[in-house]
Amino acid sequence: VTLLEQNPRWRLVPRGQAVNLRCILKNSQYPWMSWYQQDLQKQLQWLFTLRSPGDKEVKSLPGADYLATRVTDTELRLQVANMSQGRTLYCTCSADQLGGGYAEQFFGPGTRLTVL
Amino acid sequence: GDSVTQTEGQVALSEEDFLTIHCNYSASGYPTLFWYVQYPGEGPQLLFRASRDKEKGSSRGFEATYDKGTTSFHLRKASVQESDSAVYYCALSARNNNNAPRFGAGTKLSVKP
Repeated sequence: VTLLEQNPRWRLVPRGQAVNLRCILKNSQYPWMSWYQQDLQKQLQWLFTLRSPGDKEVKSLPGADYLATRVTDTELRLQVANMSQGRTLYCTCSADQLGGGYAEQFFGPGTRLTVL
Repeated sequence: GDSVTQTEGQVALSEEDFLTIHCNYSASGYPTLFWYVQYPGEGPQLLFRASRDKEKGSSRGFEATYDKGTTSFHLRKASVQESDSAVYYCALSARNNNNAPRFGAGTKLSVKP
């Protein structure tokens, strides 16, 4: 059973242009939603965890700037700007907060971004 | 801060070989430790987890034992198959709201028939 839907699945991004990603949660038993980036060397890095509608966070990492928004109980968004290197963004969901003993992350299929 | 170290970046084996992927961690207290597997074109998925010292996690013939003394959680499988070819990640989650889940760098396993 698919817990998460991500769109788009891939995108070519002209240098300097921002892109907006969406993640839809299919099962409310896993309300803690997060974004992870995976770089071209396959390194996974946690970006954000947002629980409540209206939550927003920003972060700048080498190669991209991020703005994450929890829009509703079932929708999480991510804006990626100033991207200089390709990467894959994964949405995840979890039954409890970071640090919980059973904080298994369920990963979505990912959105692959390539810089033009 | 918390960290996870996977020694092997790539491992190449033949079918029925024995597999070991080393994972060592650094964290305060008792973190929960995980092994995730990522098949080509997919997101990572949980293999198994362990939450306390000497606990063994296992799934699909893979196993690892939480060892607080050596701060290790090495992944082992007695006889690998070509279908096990994937990237394997060791990860930890600490009981601290300020600590994000940490993933190791990943180990790419290639199994030849």
